[in-house]
Amino acid sequence: RKEVEQDPGPFNVPEGATVAFNCTYSNSASQSFFWYRQDCRKEPKLLMSVYSSGNEDGRFTAQLNRASQYISLLIRDSKLSDSATYLCVVNWSGGSYIPTFGRGTSLIVHP
Amino acid sequence: DAGVIQSPRHEVTEMGQEVTLRCKPISGHDYLFWYRQTMMRGLELLIYFNNNVPIDDSGMPEDRFSAKMPNASFSTLKIQPSEPRDSAVYFCASSFGGADEKLFFGSGTQLSVL
Repeated sequence: RKEVEQDPGPFNVPEGATVAFNCTYSNSASQSFFWYRQDCRKEPKLLMSVYSSGNEDGRFTAQLNRASQYISLLIRDSKLSDSATYLCVVNWSGGSYIPTFGRGTSLIVHP
Repeated sequence: DAGVIQSPRHEVTEMGQEVTLRCKPISGHDYLFWYRQTMMRGLELLIYFNNNVPIDDSGMPEDRFSAKMPNASFSTLKIQPSEPRDSAVYFCASSFGGADEKLFFGSGTQLSVL
């Protein structure tokens, strides 16, 4: 199965800090990319898609580097409520588009 | 729409018992996925269906696991017999399919096999 690798962390940062996560993927034929957020004991939910040109949603910025096969997520001005696990997801085409999840990066934002 | 609905939320059973997990996907979604999540292995894809047909079950750990989707609004994941190492959170997710489509997850079933 195709691999998606993430640093598990935890990343422990103070409120207001900027933090960045990376994710690498092994399948060069991967088609689309996403970041999901998972709160403790909850289901994963889509945070944002990742587009080739990079994209921003408020305090969150996602980047894609196809040549090096990695995606990144930057969180500016961290809030306590950002504490969660961030899952990198890669869709690769095996006929259908199959979402493959990284193991997630844990973020803890403290006062 | 109520979203993806899974039942039960929690299941505690003894080793050797049969366990059946249930999922109702979002109406109109063509794809249904079963994932298992553990601390050690993260989210693993077990099997997925397209238009009720199983497409890839290579993630199913062994023959003790089986999944069915008798119609577009219902799927089951069965473990028989269950073992303690099957303890995990099992998520069902559905989507329209396609490269840019996001997954919608159910709340999961927390399975504990004693």
